Amino acid sequence: IQMTQSPSSLSASVGDRVTITCRAGQNIGRDVNWYQQKPGKAPKLLIYAASSLHSGVPSRFSGSGSGTEFTLTISSLQPEDFASYYCQQSYSTPRTFGQGTKLEIK
Amino acid sequence: EVQLVESGGGLVQPGRALRLSCAASGFRFEDYAMHWVRQVSGKGLEWVAGISWNSKSLGYVDSVKGRFTISRDNAKNSLFLQMDSLTTEDTALYYCVKDMAPTIVVSPNFHYGMDVWGQGTTVTVS
Repeated sequence: IQMTQSPSSLSASVGDRVTITCRAGQNIGRDVNWYQQKPGKAPKLLIYAASSLHSGVPSRFSGSGSGTEFTLTISSLQPEDFASYYCQQSYSTPRTFGQGTKLEIK
Repeated sequence: EVQLVESGGGLVQPGRALRLSCAASGFRFEDYAMHWVRQVSGKGLEWVAGISWNSKSLGYVDSVKGRFTISRDNAKNSLFLQMDSLTTEDTALYYCVKDMAPTIVVSPNFHYGMDVWGQGTTVTVS
């Protein structure tokens, strides 16, 4: 299942509201997860099952969507949020990832 | 502390083999599915292989089918990836990853997400 993520890069400022979109190649229900990766570090799970916040993740992160279109929203960007973000489907194997969105400071 | 520690990476010639290991600690390893995910330097994430808690369900990305074998030893809290017939396209950082669920075949009874990641081991095929 192809996961198409957009945009591939994004410039924003601290305090901005940011939305990243992921489209699945077929209906995958709510089987989407979102990850954050900082340079030189392993990815971290942010959101699972489309909208469930993983333990310890700040509430400014939220996920929504179902079927083929999903979004990750950061309500008010903090300096530590500048990183790369990936969606991933867990509907079937292979567990494909989106190509990533690099969030940079404007 | 929940931890995954990979080992076994290195420099290998094309066509040769390498075996990656992952030592798990801090959680009941036998209760969860596990995965290998790789990342080429500066590029995105690619799921490579997954294994259910009891080793009965295995999955591979098409590009490694027939060359890579995922396995686990629940008694030793260890995950493995046997990589044969390596090519330059396999050069990447390989992460050992824990799933939130026991299976890799999706069931409405579980939530699926990769919630614990190791720091990775680098494989260079050249």
